Order: sequence, then C-alpha cells, then structure tokens
Amino acid sequence: GNSVTQMEGPVTLSEEAFLTINCTYTATGYPSLFWYVQYPGEGLQLLLKATKADDKGSNKGFEATYRKETTSFHLEKGSVQVSDSAVYFCAHLETGANNLFFGTGTRLTVIP
Amino acid sequence: GAGVSQSPSNKVTEKGKDVELRCDPISGHTALYWYRQSLGQGLEFLIYFQGNSAPDKSGLPSDRFSAERTGGSVSTLTIQRTQQEDSAVYLCASSLGGQRTDTQYFGPGTRLTVL
Repeated sequence: GNSVTQMEGPVTLSEEAFLTINCTYTATGYPSLFWYVQYPGEGLQLLLKATKADDKGSNKGFEATYRKETTSFHLEKGSVQVSDSAVYFCAHLETGANNLFFGTGTRLTVIP
Repeated sequence: GAGVSQSPSNKVTEKGKDVELRCDPISGHTALYWYRQSLGQGLEFLIYFQGNSAPDKSGLPSDRFSAERTGGSVSTLTIQRTQQEDSAVYLCASSLGGQRTDTQYFGPGTRLTVL
C-alpha cells in the first residue's frame, strides 16, 4: 500500500548548519512528491514539489530531488536559519488519487 | 487575497454530541479537501470535493462522519455522536482543481476536543 516514511524528530541544529530530513515513499505508480511546512502558529503551506523522476524542487534555499531508484525525496538546506524552525511534512500524490498522503512530520528547531 | 478560513478555531464538546466544522475555500477554487491530524500521527485524508462531481468519501473513518459542499463553495464537516478518538485538528484545503498536482492551500484548522 501507499506510505510515506520520514525521519523522526525532533531535530535540533545550530544556525548555519546543514539540514537533511529523509523521506522515502511506497506507491503503486509514479506519484508526485511534496514537502509541506508548518511554522509555529500558522497553517500548512507548500514548500516545494516535484512531479516526475529526477525533478528537483526548490524554494527558500531548500531542495529535494525525486529519486525513483531509491523511492526517496530527501529535503536539504545548506545553511539553516532560526526562522526555519517548523514542522516539515513529506507527502505524495499517487497516480490517479485525489488526496495527498502525508508522513508524520519532523519538527526542526534551529538555535542561534 | 484571503486564504482558506475555518471555524471555529477550537471546539470542545462532550462525548455523544454532534459537531459541525466549517470551511471557506479560496474564491474560485473548485477542489476542496478535508484532512485530520491526530496527536502523534500524520495528516489523514477524509473527503474530497471537485466541482459538481460526486465526492470522494474513501477516507471517512465511519458513518458518523459526513460532509457537504453547498454551491461549490463553503463546506461543512459533521461528526455525529462524537467519540474521544475523534479529538484531532481538522484541516481543510482547497486548490484550483484543474490538475491533481495543483497546490493545496490549507486553512488554520479546527482543534476538536471530545471530553
């Protein structure tokens, strides 16, 4: 069946550190892949997406590459800031499905 | 412009009571989704509306849950005879609806607590 497995948190990093949040998925077809972010006190918002294999999504210094061979969509950022503190959700949209399927979320805290 | 709005922001109810949660999507968005986020779990899909098509109800956990979308805009999620396990944050999202990969815009959620 469909599933999304993402790195368990919480993750605590110092400002300017390198960030990786792992995400792997199981799907029957060729899903589109997403990272959503939820900042404190705010609603979920799309961070980036990739709709086919080898595509790279990027936004606000974050990147993720759709790797079909490893069924992964790891989120990376070269230098995190305090303002990146949030909960990050990996999600996929299965071929033919209407709804996003989410992972459980990874809480990131960046300390000055 | 205005985003997705939901009301109430918080709802506390007693076990066995019925509750109604409201979602106002972004104007012009034809697709509307309900999800719920339970403590320690990811977001779980509940129901999807697209234009005038029959809704996709495949995620509703029981027949106590139902949803309507009137006039292709506002949606109401109703939970009858609430149980403690229904306690969660209920999120609504909308998208343009032209393509499945259209960005889903989420509302702030309604936190439901069943005592």
